[in-house]
Amino acid sequence: GQQVMQIPQYQHVQEGEDFTTYCNSSTTLSNIQWYKQRPGGHPVFLIQLVKSGEVKKQKRLTFQFGEAKKNSSLHITATQTTDVGTYFCAGPTSGTYKYIFGTGTRLKVLA
Amino acid sequence: NAGVTQTPKFQVLKTGQSMTLQCAQDMNHEYMSWYRQDPGMGLRLIHYSVGAGITDQGEVPNGYNVSRSTTEDFPLRLLSAAPSQTSVYFCASKTGTHQGTGELFFGEGSRLTVL
Repeated sequence: GQQVMQIPQYQHVQEGEDFTTYCNSSTTLSNIQWYKQRPGGHPVFLIQLVKSGEVKKQKRLTFQFGEAKKNSSLHITATQTTDVGTYFCAGPTSGTYKYIFGTGTRLKVLA
Repeated sequence: NAGVTQTPKFQVLKTGQSMTLQCAQDMNHEYMSWYRQDPGMGLRLIHYSVGAGITDQGEVPNGYNVSRSTTEDFPLRLLSAAPSQTSVYFCASKTGTHQGTGELFFGEGSRLTVL
């Protein structure tokens, strides 16, 4: 079945450093979504990418969808303590309503 | 708007007991789903529904039943709880106008422990 892997599993950074998480799917995705989950909280939608090679920015966050639509990345510039949490990518299996989530990357920001 | 509401927030069961996790949404979303979250394994899809009377299995459906009698409600039933079902359960919904697209709205989660 379809698998979505994320690396790294954990990342500790000093406040002000950059952070990147990578998402890789075993199959081509029609679109990819990113979610953030604060400790003890629930996942919250960040963004959806649809087009091959698409790049979107939200303030310090930059999202990219690979040319082959099988991978994606999330880059945070100059991390802040408010960026702490787990970041998940998610993609639909082709032609279905099933959203498959990646394993997540847990980010810890040290002040 | 309340969004997606899950009850209970915490539950402790003994092996073999049954229970129902409730999920209700007030956004008139066609699509509703249940996920379980375990450490290091991300969110895994249990069951989902694309409208009243329609349900389908996700990645890990064994041991769980669902039904969708109304647009608003999507309960998850554990018929005979097992320790392997100890997890945090999330209900999520979205508008169902297009397959595989659109923001998922999550409930706050239900933490279940099976002894």
